[in-house]
Amino acid sequence: SQQGEEDPQALSIQEGENATMNCSYKTSINNLQWYRQNSGRGLVHLILIRSNEREKHSGRLRVTLDTSKKSSSLLITASRAADTASYFCAMYMNRDDKIIFGKGTRLHILP
Amino acid sequence: GAVVSQHPSRVICKSGTSVKIECRSLDFQATTMFWYRQFPKQSLMLMATSNEGSKATYEQGVEKDKFLINHASLTLSTLTVTSAHPEDSSFYICSARTGISYNSPLHFGNGTRLTVT
Repeated sequence: SQQGEEDPQALSIQEGENATMNCSYKTSINNLQWYRQNSGRGLVHLILIRSNEREKHSGRLRVTLDTSKKSSSLLITASRAADTASYFCAMYMNRDDKIIFGKGTRLHILP
Repeated sequence: GAVVSQHPSRVICKSGTSVKIECRSLDFQATTMFWYRQFPKQSLMLMATSNEGSKATYEQGVEKDKFLINHASLTLSTLTVTSAHPEDSSFYICSARTGISYNSPLHFGNGTRLTVT
């Protein structure tokens, strides 16, 4: 399968804590993107990191990319109840010009 | 920001009928749109890549005669599920890129929940 693998599959933390999700993939990529999905809705783009970048920040989000290990992580700091959602990594593969999604992490922020 | 509108949001149809799902880019032109299918609590599976003015590229295992894709304009792509069966019940989501660069993020519609009875 070309899908990425994400861990954990599900994560429950207290509000205010940091949440870390990891993504591993198999093939060479041009970029890796993270998306968020609220239940029964479409996906919202969070952040894109290019293959020549190692770290990127956007507000409370921090993404790292290690192309040697074919892995990425998404850190959400100071979590809020509104962060409860599913988070997916997505890999762009230039050879095929398509974006393949990982299996996702279901994040639940406890009040 | 870039907005993708998908319609209908929910549809219930009888087995054997066909259902058309529309995906529109409201404030940008999308030469490429992507159609995904999602089962409950699972990831998105790419079904096909829709290119304006040309035939769609289907992923392995997706029946092109069953899932008809038409991308007749730069702002509209449609997915028609023909002769629907209960196993076609799923959440279908379209997406589009604002630019031709692969470093452009995808913008998603809100999805269509299809239930075939």
